[in-house]
Amino acid sequence: EIVLTQSPATLSLSPGERATLSCRASQSVSIYLAWYQQKPGQAPSLLIYDASTRATGVPARFSGSGSGTDFTLTISSLEPDDFAVYYCQQRMNWRALTFGGGTKVEIK
Amino acid sequence: QMQLVESGGGVVQPGRSLRLSCAASDFTFKNNFMHWVRQAPGKGLQWVAGIWHDGSHSLYGDSAKGRFTVSRDTSKNTLFLQMTRLRADDTAIYYCVRDRGGADPLPYYFDSWGQGTLVTVSS
Repeated sequence: EIVLTQSPATLSLSPGERATLSCRASQSVSIYLAWYQQKPGQAPSLLIYDASTRATGVPARFSGSGSGTDFTLTISSLEPDDFAVYYCQQRMNWRALTFGGGTKVEIK
Repeated sequence: QMQLVESGGGVVQPGRSLRLSCAASDFTFKNNFMHWVRQAPGKGLQWVAGIWHDGSHSLYGDSAKGRFTVSRDTSKNTLFLQMTRLRADDTAIYYCVRDRGGADPLPYYFDSWGQGTLVTVSS
């Protein structure tokens, strides 16, 4: 099983600030990594797939980068609606899909 | 607007069984790989099971192997999860999820999610 480790667990920032979230894989996942956003009481939604491709309708302030074992989700300027929990997920090992533990982006 | 609507959750005693359903609408159900993903209260996401677009193959996470069975009825645009020998740690919201798909019929990413159905395993 490929283990995904997200850091930090919690990120305290103010609206307008830049958010940088990390996801590290226990072995190479090439570019086969996605990011999801989950707001309280809601189902997750797909933000980024294949490490850097934005899903339909996702604002340009969200960007993904990385390959191999180290990945980053960047929110260039936080909007009030962006405070949520973010998860990464790999499909390199498609027989055992796994998620990271999540990063909560909270208002400072 | 495509929809996934789960049903069948509830309170069940340890060791008993439960069958979840997911009604899909407004997309071509037979074309998509489908999944079940769960989330224990206050916890992260865990992939449970997935099934090929034609139902020919299925995959399971470690927690589901040997106890859960995923299936689909393409004629009724419905996905199922049969859960047996339920345990307290199966308590979670269970989401029905459409796969985004890719160049081959394998699982990729979780494209569209239902609102989930809560399963509580307790005596």
